[in-house]
Amino acid sequence: ETGVTQTPRHLVMGMTNKKSLKCEQHLGHNAMYWYKQSAKKPLELMFVYSLEERVENNSVPSRFSPECPNSSHLFLHLHTLQPEDSALYLCASSQATVTYNEQFFGPGTRLTVL
Amino acid sequence: DAKTTQPPSMDCAEGRAANLPCNHSTISGNEYVYWYRQIHSQGPQYIIHGLKNNETNEMASLIITEDRKSSTLILPHATLRDTAVYYCIVRVLPNKLIFGTGTLLAVQP
Repeated sequence: ETGVTQTPRHLVMGMTNKKSLKCEQHLGHNAMYWYKQSAKKPLELMFVYSLEERVENNSVPSRFSPECPNSSHLFLHLHTLQPEDSALYLCASSQATVTYNEQFFGPGTRLTVL
Repeated sequence: DAKTTQPPSMDCAEGRAANLPCNHSTISGNEYVYWYRQIHSQGPQYIIHGLKNNETNEMASLIITEDRKSSTLILPHATLRDTAVYYCIVRVLPNKLIFGTGTLLAVQP
């Protein structure tokens, strides 16, 4: 138990569906992250929020839309996904400091796009 | 791109020390070395980090060479539960960790 929870843990959706992934952290952190991990590939950073403002967007397709309503919650809204978007989506949180970055990860959402 | 190079896999006998190497020859003077691990189907877990000096915590020890171009993560008494992918990361920017492909450590009974 890392203090970062993600729901749902598994999700199967069609290419025309709209769904959302939720992440919540109970650690008092002020930075949150979305990562994508495809089979046999390294983790890819998708989005970074620091103090509820998006500070990093690594050229992610617009069919992925993040939302950070407060420092404890992070959402990833999904629409018109492609089968190649099937992956493990991981959320993480940390304190936003210049010199130190221990990130705490949630268990992930396993997404399958049919 | 990740700034580190790690062997793709290693084996270790249970109860023995596991020594995982990492090369980071282009590291800058103010860049930290972080180690994370990922047990199958779980999120990555922080292990340890360091800048210049050797570091030790309850999980592992980190040995950084004097020129900082390489480091070694040491698990002193490996158990079967230490089987995981271990990532060596040079933090490039604040709040940004770039993961490479890591080393799959298989602890054998």
